[in-house]
Amino acid sequence: DIQMTQSPSTLSASVGDRVTITCRASQTISSWLAWYQQKPGKAPKLLIYKASSLGTGVPSRFSGSGSGTEFTLTISSLQPDDFATYYCQQYNSYSPWTFGQGTKVEIK
Amino acid sequence: EVQLVESGGDLVQPGGSLRLSCAASGFTFTSYYIHWVRQAPGKGLMWVSHINPDGTTTNYADSVKGRFTISRDNAKNTLYLQMNSLRAEDTAVYYCTRGFRTTVTTSHYFDFWGQGTLVTVSS
Repeated sequence: DIQMTQSPSTLSASVGDRVTITCRASQTISSWLAWYQQKPGKAPKLLIYKASSLGTGVPSRFSGSGSGTEFTLTISSLQPDDFATYYCQQYNSYSPWTFGQGTKVEIK
Repeated sequence: EVQLVESGGDLVQPGGSLRLSCAASGFTFTSYYIHWVRQAPGKGLMWVSHINPDGTTTNYADSVKGRFTISRDNAKNTLYLQMNSLRAEDTAVYYCTRGFRTTVTTSHYFDFWGQGTLVTVSS
């Protein structure tokens, strides 16, 4: 199985900050990586697919980059609505689909 | 508007059974793979199972293989998860989610999610 590792696990930041989350895959996954945002008590929401493509209706302050085994999610200017937990997920192959352990973005 | 609405979560004793449902609307259900993903309290996301559009191919995480069965009724636009021999570690919110693939040869990411249904396994 492909293991996904995110860093950091928790990130403290202020409104307006530029924030970067890293996701590493245990083997190459080309660009088959998605990012999700989850708020407490809510379902995950798709942000990014194919490493860098923005999901429908997702604000342009979110961006993704990377390929192979290293990927990043960047929020260019953190907004109050962005405090949440973020997960990466690989879809390089069928079964099993695997997620990173999550990165919680907290208010500093 | 795409909607996925889960139901059937409950408190069940270890060793017991439960069937979850996921009612889909707002898209052509018969064209999509559908997955179950779960999240234990305070933990991350874990893929559980998926089924192909016509229901002929299924796949499971090792931790549920042999105990859980995924199925779909395309006439009713509904997905199911039959869960048997439940364990405390199966306690989680279970989400159904639509698998989207950009080409027929690629795997899927999850573009729409239901709100989840809570399964608690405890005596």
